[in-house]
Amino acid sequence: DQQVKQNSPSLSVQEGRISILNCDYTNSMFDYFLWYKKYPAEGPTFLISISSIKDKNEDGRFTVFLNKSAKHLSLHIVPSQPGDSAVYFCAASGGNTPLVFGKGTRLSVIA
Amino acid sequence: GAVVSQHPSWVICKSGTSVKIECRSLDFQATTMFWYRQFPKQSLMLMATSNEGSKATYEQGVEKDKFLINHASLTLSTLTVTSAHPEDSSFYICSARLGTVAGYTFGSGTRLTVV
Repeated sequence: DQQVKQNSPSLSVQEGRISILNCDYTNSMFDYFLWYKKYPAEGPTFLISISSIKDKNEDGRFTVFLNKSAKHLSLHIVPSQPGDSAVYFCAASGGNTPLVFGKGTRLSVIA
Repeated sequence: GAVVSQHPSWVICKSGTSVKIECRSLDFQATTMFWYRQFPKQSLMLMATSNEGSKATYEQGVEKDKFLINHASLTLSTLTVTSAHPEDSSFYICSARLGTVAGYTFGSGTRLTVV
């Protein structure tokens, strides 16, 4: 049973446009959500996070939106750049539990 | 920021042999480290939680006798894949947490290929 779901395995976006990556979760005990960026043969690197007490967190070109009632979060990247091309993982945590990851979405930003 | 070093980054071994992967927290002490496994196009699946000075906690379905975890110091955890088989070929990643849940840091991963 997958507690964190990223239903889009891939996404292609033109440079300069907005990239929207989606993530759904099922466990209502999750109270902290994170997005990681991963290049092939490398470990994930932290991108941005959001606590369940907020509905939006912004950091430069990256904004994460949380809709608790829908158990849905999304990562917006604007404007998208070719260097943003990578696999993006959504992760969730509840209390002191280890992170639970989605399957990832491969973003390709086309110049 | 917190850095986790993982070694080796890739290894090829023969079927039946054992392989050890090291995970070090370079500038902080980690009482708990996590070991993940990633199959191609799949999520990072938590294998076990490594606790300094005590036994690791394994996730359901992970063979503790096959994936030996040792966390002998506050800066080092090791994962040994014993009697490796081709189906153990995967990408293994360790992680440590510094402070809050936002403080998870990941190693660079180890690509294991068993031939």
